[in-house]
Amino acid sequence: QKEVEQDPGPLSVPEGAIVSLNCTYSNSAFQYFMWYRQYSRKGPELLMYTYSSGNKEDGRFTAQVDKSSKYISLFIRDSQPSDSATYLCAMTSDSADGLTFGKGTHLIIQP
Amino acid sequence: EAQVTQNPRYLITVTGKKLTVTCSQNMNHEYMSWYRQDPGLGLRQIYYSMNVEVTDKGDVPEGYKVSRKEKRNFPLILESPSPNQTSLYFCASSPPARDEQFFGPGTRLTVL
Repeated sequence: QKEVEQDPGPLSVPEGAIVSLNCTYSNSAFQYFMWYRQYSRKGPELLMYTYSSGNKEDGRFTAQVDKSSKYISLFIRDSQPSDSATYLCAMTSDSADGLTFGKGTHLIIQP
Repeated sequence: EAQVTQNPRYLITVTGKKLTVTCSQNMNHEYMSWYRQDPGLGLRQIYYSMNVEVTDKGDVPEGYKVSRKEKRNFPLILESPSPNQTSLYFCASSPPARDEQFFGPGTRLTVL
């Protein structure tokens, strides 16, 4: 079981809004959770990394993990047009497996 | 500058003509990986390597080969490309924890 579900969007919000991006997963062995941002024609870049359950904050970004519900979230405060991109969640267990990615959510921040 | 480089960035080829996409990293990372990204399917892992001379299949290895003779290089080989291998390919590397992966800029491959 390696399935990760992520709404592809597009999600369009006005500048300054709080954005909530989410992923659900089925494999209870996943312990490491990441959010990547991918601009058009670029490779994914790591935004946030969390281990197990809880919250992690970095500037305008907050990553939240609820392992009991198998649900992770990324919140973006005071969203900017430069935040417009595709956001990919990714996760892995502590085994030798690679990352399992969601399909990505296309986010559009309207000026 | 710490980075992962891929070459070529764009390639159009024909069915059956062997090709190699190179990947190189300058961060002394042990772990390297190849992904393909397709609309509606997301990123899927093709092969990965935990260290020199150690490679293993990912989720979609059919039609691909890799080698890891040096720590910094991890080429992707398509012995006989087919149109269903038309995709955007990414190479990535990471330190031993394997979680914080750094991605290359991508190679857009079209097989006619």
